[in-house]
Amino acid sequence: AQRVTQPEKLLSVFKGAPVELKCNYSYSGSPELFWYVQYSRQRLQLLLRHISRESIKGFTADLNKGETSFHLKKPFAQEEDSAMYYCALHGRTGGYQKVTFGTGTKLQVIP
Amino acid sequence: KAGVTQTPRYLIKTRGQQVTLSCSPISGHRSVSWYQQTPGQGLQFLFEYFSETQRNKGNFPGRFSGRQFSNSRSEMNVSTLELGDSALYLCASSRNRDAAGELFFGEGSRLTVL
Repeated sequence: AQRVTQPEKLLSVFKGAPVELKCNYSYSGSPELFWYVQYSRQRLQLLLRHISRESIKGFTADLNKGETSFHLKKPFAQEEDSAMYYCALHGRTGGYQKVTFGTGTKLQVIP
Repeated sequence: KAGVTQTPRYLIKTRGQQVTLSCSPISGHRSVSWYQQTPGQGLQFLFEYFSETQRNKGNFPGRFSGRQFSNSRSEMNVSTLELGDSALYLCASSRNRDAAGELFFGEGSRLTVL
């Protein structure tokens, strides 16, 4: 079974403060992890994937297999970062595959 | 290129009725997945289709079904609607099964069951 946990439903930070959105996963194989973002009145979209080790809009995320975590970080929050963030795991089990999402964290950046 | 298109965007049904939702993936994308999104449960995986075959199914009752056509367009059907089926139904496409984690989402079909 694969599971994704995002412990915080809401995270409020001040503009310019660091941001860390937590994500922990449970999966027996080698996971592919992603962060998706949904801005107000927009469709859900891919933010970044662990395999490419990229930085998008100042956000980074490192896969820590020992702690089974994939936390999303940004050193200085901007007001436009306010959105709903979902951590997702793509897993393959016995020829079947699916993407499992966490319940999401709403990031609120206070001006 | 055009994004994932879902129709209808909004619909209202009554208990016991059935509903069909449609999804047109991005051109060239062959994998289509469906999710149910609710405030309490987040995104719950319904099923995935690739090459007209259902490749995986989530933990939903048999009232939820779907299919995919040869042009990769997909439909999902919910029969004997219940109040708890009220949700936003999201369709997502990906290029192929190797890139199945990189999903491109539609805007969703918001179903209200009265």
